[in-house]
Amino acid sequence: GESVGLHLPTLSVQEGDNSIINCAYSNSASDYFIWYKQESGKGPQFIIDIRSNMDKRQGQRVTVLLNKTVKHLSLQIAATQPGDSAVYFCAEASNFGNEKLTFGTGTRLTIIP
Amino acid sequence: GAVVSQHPSRVICKSGTSVKIECRSLDFQATTMFWYRQFPKKSLMLMATSNEGSKATYEQGVEKDKFLINHASLTLSTLTVTSAHPEDSSFYICSAGQVRADTQYFGPGTRLTVL
Repeated sequence: GESVGLHLPTLSVQEGDNSIINCAYSNSASDYFIWYKQESGKGPQFIIDIRSNMDKRQGQRVTVLLNKTVKHLSLQIAATQPGDSAVYFCAEASNFGNEKLTFGTGTRLTIIP
Repeated sequence: GAVVSQHPSRVICKSGTSVKIECRSLDFQATTMFWYRQFPKKSLMLMATSNEGSKATYEQGVEKDKFLINHASLTLSTLTVTSAHPEDSSFYICSAGQVRADTQYFGPGTRLTVL
C-alpha cells in the first residue's frame, strides 16, 4: 500500500552543525508535504510545508527539498541548537492538506552540546 | 494565530468508564478536525475525520461506537472513549484545519491512562 517512510530513525548532530532528515514517499498522488516537530509529551508543531509544484522552500534555519522524480523529501536544519532536539515527522496529503495526512515513522534528532 | 487546545491534558480513569476529550480551535474556525492516536515511540495514526455538523468519518479498524466523535461547532470537537480498557491507554491528539487553508494545526495532546 501507499506509505511515507524515513531512511534514518535516529540522528545525532553536534550543536552548530547542519542536519538533514530524509523521507521517502510512495503515493504519487500526494501534492502537499509537511514537516512537523514533536517534543516529548507534546503535539506536533508545524515547521514548514511544500507543494508539489515546488522543489525547494526555505524558512528560518530550515529548508525543505522535494524531489518528485524519486519521491524524496528532506528537511535541512542549519546551525542546530539544543532546542532542535525532537522527533521529526514528514507527512503527505492530497488536495492541499485539508484532507487526510499520512505520517512517516519519525526520526529522532539529538543535538549534542 | 492558529492555536489548538485540548482538554484535559492528562487523564487517569478506571476500566469501564468513559472519558471525554475536547479539542478547540482558539483563534480560527475549523470546518474539519482530525483525531489521532499515538503509541510510545510511534507515529501518529489517524482515527477519524470530524466535519462540523455531520457524522465523523472513521478509518478502517477504528470502532465508531467506542470512539464517539462530535463536532458541534466550528471551534469544538469532542472524542469520547466509551467503556475504556487498559489497551485504550494512549496519547490522543487532535488537529484542526482552517477554512480555505491547507495546513493542519495540532493540539498539545491528551495522555489517557486506563487502570
